[in-house]
Amino acid sequence: AQTVTQSQPEMSVQEAETVTLSCTYDTSENNYYLFWYKQPPSRQMILVIRQEAYKQQNATENRFSVNFQKAAKSFSLKISDSQLGDTAMYFCAFMKHVGSGGSNYKLTFGKGTLLTVNP
Amino acid sequence: DTGVSQNPRHKITKRGQNVTFRCDPISEHNRLYWYRQTLGQGPEFLTYFQNEAQLEKSRLLSDRFSAERPKGSFSTLEIQRTEQGDSAMYLCASSSLAGGPRITDTQYFGPGTRLTVL
Repeated sequence: AQTVTQSQPEMSVQEAETVTLSCTYDTSENNYYLFWYKQPPSRQMILVIRQEAYKQQNATENRFSVNFQKAAKSFSLKISDSQLGDTAMYFCAFMKHVGSGGSNYKLTFGKGTLLTVNP
Repeated sequence: DTGVSQNPRHKITKRGQNVTFRCDPISEHNRLYWYRQTLGQGPEFLTYFQNEAQLEKSRLLSDRFSAERPKGSFSTLEIQRTEQGDSAMYLCASSSLAGGPRITDTQYFGPGTRLTVL
């Protein structure tokens, strides 16, 4: 079974600064996906960024980028030029790659990191 | 493409009553998932469908829970004889195979149904 650990329950950052959220995971799989989702207060879960484990290049989406260290099973999220609208709970999630057998497709989430961006 | 929708958004019920939630996935998404999220926790997988077939159920899904996706489009999640421990946010997500709308094999979530059992 896969596990996802987010060791920072809460973090804060000043507007326009950079912040990094940590995520580690445990799996015996070689092919999988990793995701960061954002859940603003009382609003729905939004995909932030996705990484395929077979790709060595780190994924980027505008101000959001990841540092994927496959050997260390680490998947951190860096938010540059933080904005007030980035205030949210951030969840790291793991999914087996399609076709790897067993329980495909379900997401395993960490407990989340509450990020507050201060003006 | 209007996103995943869920109804109702909020449901308050008394212990012992039955409740049913509905999820409408993104059009042409053939996979549909249900998750449960309690306060301060990440979502936990309950079950998923590929088209109309229910392919996996979590051990969290007790006998009081049943999910259907009769025509491979919308899905319903029913909880019978609700208990206070069922109070949670119930999230629905959908995803597609290659060629479908949005990014392949990526789950897109609805706004959730918040259930409160008194």
